[in-house]
Amino acid sequence: DGGITQSPKYLFRKEGQNVTLSCEQNLNHDAMYWYRQDPGQGLRLIYYSQIVNDFQKGDIAEGYSVSREKKESFPLTVTSAQKNPTAFYLCASSITTSGRYEQYFGPGTRLTVT
Amino acid sequence: AQSVAQPEDQVNVAEGNPLTVKCTYSVSGNPYLFWYVQYPNRGLQFLLKYITGDNLVKGSYGFEAEFNKSQTSFHLKKPSALVSDSALYFCAVRGVYNQGGKLNFGQGTELSVKP
Repeated sequence: DGGITQSPKYLFRKEGQNVTLSCEQNLNHDAMYWYRQDPGQGLRLIYYSQIVNDFQKGDIAEGYSVSREKKESFPLTVTSAQKNPTAFYLCASSITTSGRYEQYFGPGTRLTVT
Repeated sequence: AQSVAQPEDQVNVAEGNPLTVKCTYSVSGNPYLFWYVQYPNRGLQFLLKYITGDNLVKGSYGFEAEFNKSQTSFHLKKPSALVSDSALYFCAVRGVYNQGGKLNFGQGTELSVKP
């Protein structure tokens, strides 16, 4: 899992509440990513950021928000507008130097909303 | 657009036998290809990548993958499987023109190695 931490590992929330998932990296990577994993669907990109104070929507951004105020941190907020928030959430980071395109992943946060 | 297909949801092999996990891709321009492994309730671990050069790429834990441009494939292989190789394997692709660094992942293949 490298130098990427996600907290907490398990998170439980009631429907209608916003919740923020933490992602911190000490790898000095420029780019950071948030993915959602559901059984049988692989990983789907929620948001990504290549530099501080800038981020782009991924394939399934609706109902989520992010910020990138520091290079090391890329928190994800799951809002009450997300219709099916229960899932395993993975944060990743990468450097952007040519040839070094692999992403490194954190251990994940399993969110359960009831 | 870029995409990856992993045609097998599950692969079963006996310990000591060779294993292959299949991956095909679709991308504009040259591809950058990756394999990752995931153990239960853990993040993904990077295994290997193809960026350019030799079509046979060697990675962690004895795994290797062969890039085949004509068949648009990047199959993961290991000469002798271990029970500890049992996990979920993901193939991912990024096109050379993709400046955003986005990877597209396949749906994953569950590898089961029996003693």
